[in-house]
Amino acid sequence: AQSVTQPDARVTVSEGASLQLRCKYSYSGTPYLFWYVQYPRQGLQLLLKYYSGDPVVQGVNGFEAEFIKSNSSFHLRKASVHWSDSAVYFCAVSMATGGNNKLTFGQGTVLSVIP
Amino acid sequence: EAAVTQSPRSKVAVTGGKVTLSCHQTNNHDYMYWYRQDTGHGLRLIHYSYVADSTEKGDIPDGYKASRPSQENFSLILELASLSQTAVYFCASSDVWGAYAEQFFGPGTRLTVL
Repeated sequence: AQSVTQPDARVTVSEGASLQLRCKYSYSGTPYLFWYVQYPRQGLQLLLKYYSGDPVVQGVNGFEAEFIKSNSSFHLRKASVHWSDSAVYFCAVSMATGGNNKLTFGQGTVLSVIP
Repeated sequence: EAAVTQSPRSKVAVTGGKVTLSCHQTNNHDYMYWYRQDTGHGLRLIHYSYVADSTEKGDIPDGYKASRPSQENFSLILELASLSQTAVYFCASSDVWGAYAEQFFGPGTRLTVL
């Protein structure tokens, strides 16, 4: 069965600093990979997704993620964070075969950006 | 603007009582989903639907029913609420069926069962 692990429950960074949120997945096939963000009092919104091609995928608001197959990882990065990036970030994976639309989510990482 | 809305946004229920959570989408999407989130855990799929008047079981359907009376509306029903069902519930929709489909989420309903 597929699974997703986000090892950092909480991350605090200073505004303007760089950011990396970690995500590791367990899946025997070819995964579709996603990062969603949940801002306070809002639903989850898609930041970016990846299936194939360039392993570095660009998302909204300056976020990017890199797929490293050998490490089963899909870490999220941003070069310079802003206070408005404070939110909960979820990594998710779905199966590339069988047309299964089921998303498996990680536990989420709470990002706090301090002035 | 296309959106997924949920009502109520929060609810306190008593053990053994019936709870209905509602979801409405204006995305014109065929597919809708109900997830629950527990503190420190990711979202888990309870039920989903790909057409009106039909629902399917997800990964954790026990203790929950779902109803899809129209394309726009999808309800989650707890016939006999239990303490273990205290969680945040999210509804989502998507326009296609497939592993690469983006899901659009509502803001969530915080349910507390006492």
